[in-house]
Amino acid sequence: EAQVTQNPRYLITVTGKKLTVTCSQNMNHEYMSWYRQDPGLGLRQIYYSMNVEVTDKGDVPEGYKVSRKEKRNFPLILESPSPNQTSLYFCASSTLAGASYEQYFGPGTRLTVT
Amino acid sequence: TQLLEQSPQFLSIQEGENLTVYCNSSSVFSSLQWYRQEPGEGPVLLVTVVTGGEVKKLKRLTFQFGDARKDSSLHITAAQPGDTGLYLCACRTGTSYGKLTFGQGTILTVHP
Repeated sequence: EAQVTQNPRYLITVTGKKLTVTCSQNMNHEYMSWYRQDPGLGLRQIYYSMNVEVTDKGDVPEGYKVSRKEKRNFPLILESPSPNQTSLYFCASSTLAGASYEQYFGPGTRLTVT
Repeated sequence: TQLLEQSPQFLSIQEGENLTVYCNSSSVFSSLQWYRQEPGEGPVLLVTVVTGGEVKKLKRLTFQFGDARKDSSLHITAAQPGDTGLYLCACRTGTSYGKLTFGQGTILTVHP
């Protein structure tokens, strides 16, 4: 089954404790992206990657890191989480072929930083 | 300041009514997408529009892209409870293919 998986689905942590949220896709997609979703703000793009070893900032990259060492994986790293990073996070992927470039989203990771 | 302004933010209607959701910007889009999101899930793409003036239909949903490529609308005819969800527009601007900006969303509730 074609899908984007994220782990963990739920995470409660404390300020300053480094964490990684994993994202993996099995569709051989070139493009992957991370978003955070907060009430009244829609989705805001954190980082995206056009292919292996190619990453770029979205609209809200501060406090986050990413890497793309393999095509299928795109982990999101919070080196020193703070309470304002409490949010619902989504990973997405798409092919770069065609005009639609439909993004397939993962199920989301709900992060709480206390 | 949001690049994309969606309106209304909330919409509560009865089954069978029609509705329109708007997505506006002062910038020109290279393309615009509409997504629908249900609670506990990620957004799902409904449509992509790329040409100014383009109209696309998906069953009871009609999507329009403004002639100047600065605005779009989603019209639902005879809404059903299954249409309930969060509707999001998203755009690509300029030359950065990878950068995608979403509107703040419209929460639609259709009562039986």
